[in-house]
This record gives sequence, C-alpha cells and structure tokens, in this order.
Amino acid sequence: AQTVTQSQPEMSVQEAETVTLSCTYDTSESDYYLFWYKQPPSRQMILVIRQEAYKQQNATENRFSVNFQKAAKSFSLKISDSQLGDAAMYFCAYRNGGATNKLIFGTGTLLAVQP
Amino acid sequence: ETGVTQSPTHLIKTRGQQVTLRCSSQSGHNTVSWYQQALGQGPQFIFQYYREEENGRGNFPPRFSGLQFPNYSSELNVNALELDDSALYLCASSLGGGLSYNEQFFGPGTRLTVL
Repeated sequence: AQTVTQSQPEMSVQEAETVTLSCTYDTSESDYYLFWYKQPPSRQMILVIRQEAYKQQNATENRFSVNFQKAAKSFSLKISDSQLGDAAMYFCAYRNGGATNKLIFGTGTLLAVQP
Repeated sequence: ETGVTQSPTHLIKTRGQQVTLRCSSQSGHNTVSWYQQALGQGPQFIFQYYREEENGRGNFPPRFSGLQFPNYSSELNVNALELDDSALYLCASSLGGGLSYNEQFFGPGTRLTVL
C-alpha cells in the first residue's frame, strides 16, 4: 500500500523569506503523480503544484517549486518570497496512474508566516 | 463557471442516526470523489463516482454509501453514525473518471459532529 509521510507538523517563516516543507512517500508503482495542496483556514483545498513521476524536471509554479528525488522517494516543496497569504495547512498527496483519482494524503504541515 | 459546492456547511447528529451530505460538481465534471478529514489529519479517500457508478472505494465500511445523479451531483450517506464519524467531509470533482490525469477541484466541506 502507498503511504505519504510529512514529518513537520508545524513550520514558521518570515515574510519574504524561503521555506521548505518535507514529504516522503512509499510506493512500488512506476506510474504516479505527486501533489502539494494548500488548505487555508476557510477549508477549501487548493492545488499548489503537481509532479508526474516520469518527468525528471522539477515542477515550478511561480514562487512554488518542488525537489523531486525519485530514488529517495522524497518530494519537498519550496516557497520563495513567502507572503502572509501563504499561511495555511499544506498537504503532500500521492495518486497512482491508474483508473481512479484516489489521493493519499500526508498528515499536513501547518505553515505560519511572520510579518 | 460554478465551483464545487457542498451542503450543509455544518451538521450535528447523535450516535446511531443517519446523515446525507450533498455535493454539486463543477460545471462539466462527471466524476466526484469523497474524502473524510478527521481533526488534525489529512483527508482519507472514501469512494469515487464516475458517470453514476462507484469506480473506486477506500477502506470504509458499507454503512458509508453514495449516489451520483444524472447531472453528476452526488450524495454521501452514512448510516448508524458513530462518534468517530465526526469529521470534515470533502468532495472533489473532476473530469474523466481517473483514467488519465485531470485536476480535482475541492468543495468547502461539510463539518459533521456526532454526539
């Protein structure tokens, strides 16, 4: 069975600084996707960034980038130039390349941004 | 374009009762997934409906059941409520059933409290 582990329950960053959130996963599949989702206090889950396992290049979306280490089964999220609006719970998630959209989530990292 | 909506926002039930939660998918989407998010945890996949058929299920007992209607809206029914069913219930809609990747869009959730 696939698992996702986030070992940092809480993180804090100063506004305009850079922070990295960690995630490890376990799978025996070769075709899969990895995601970072943001869940602000209003609760609606928002996709931040996606990485396909077959792609060697790390995904980037504006201030958000990932470090995908396939052999080590590691998938960290880097947030550059942190903003107050980045404060939220961040979830790492895994999806098989198979026939459902089933996402397996980690337990989340609560990110605080200090002004 | 209308996003994913869920009703009700909050619900309080007593142990042993039955509850129905509702989800309207984003316009054009034919796939709905349901997740249970206990306090302080990541969401857990309950099941997915694609074109009115269940096509994927997580590790939840049969008292968790669902429906998808011709307009692709969906219901989650939980019978014989237990205290541990207290959680935020999220639905997510997407296109295509999962055979290829399509982004899932989450609703704001229904907070269920079982007393």
